[in-house]
Amino acid sequence: EAGVAQSPRYKIIEKRQSVAFWCNPISGHATLYWYQQILGQGPKLLIQFQNNGVVDDSQLPKDRFSAERLKGVDSTLKIQPAKLEDSAVYLCASSLGGIQNTEAFFGQGTRLTVV
Amino acid sequence: AQRVTQPEKLLSVFKGAPVELKCNYSYSGSPELFWYVQYSRQRLQLLLRHISRESIKGFTADLNKGETSFHLKKPFAQEEDSAMYYCALRGSGTYKYIFGTGTRLKVLA
Repeated sequence: EAGVAQSPRYKIIEKRQSVAFWCNPISGHATLYWYQQILGQGPKLLIQFQNNGVVDDSQLPKDRFSAERLKGVDSTLKIQPAKLEDSAVYLCASSLGGIQNTEAFFGQGTRLTVV
Repeated sequence: AQRVTQPEKLLSVFKGAPVELKCNYSYSGSPELFWYVQYSRQRLQLLLRHISRESIKGFTADLNKGETSFHLKKPFAQEEDSAMYYCALRGSGTYKYIFGTGTRLKVLA
């Protein structure tokens, strides 16, 4: 089966600019996650969707980050305006969801560098 | 609060030596515990989950609810085991996935 697709793979922007990342989950996966992984750290959950509804966004810096999952399929994560500390790999993952289907499948990630 | 702790950033062992990667968690309820692995230039992928009680690539992990631990073990390390290993917790109800900070395993020839 096709895996989780993310684009772009790499992005370099200046601080205060805006940027958007795109994620296409595995077909049929109801749950979608966005993670931020700063160098040397583990993935930090930013937002979790169940279909097109937000389940958890407690760690999303809402003053600058936003995410949406229209129609419960693709998702975009936006940063506006970017700060230097936003430099990280942004990972998208999806899961079938529910009690039985627990595995999360990850995309390759988008490496963001803010200069 | 939900938390996953991996105390070791780096673990170096010689080929053929036993390996134990430590993981402790904090969660009020009955979480599911997982180990994910990231090989060089590859995406993060599932290694094993506690519910399955299976051995994958020679690795096993036992959930100890009393000590809130889920340590990953392998009796004889191989060079191809060199990778980043992340312990993860999936909460019941919301299915929120939380990851630890990761341990880099280096298996030396």
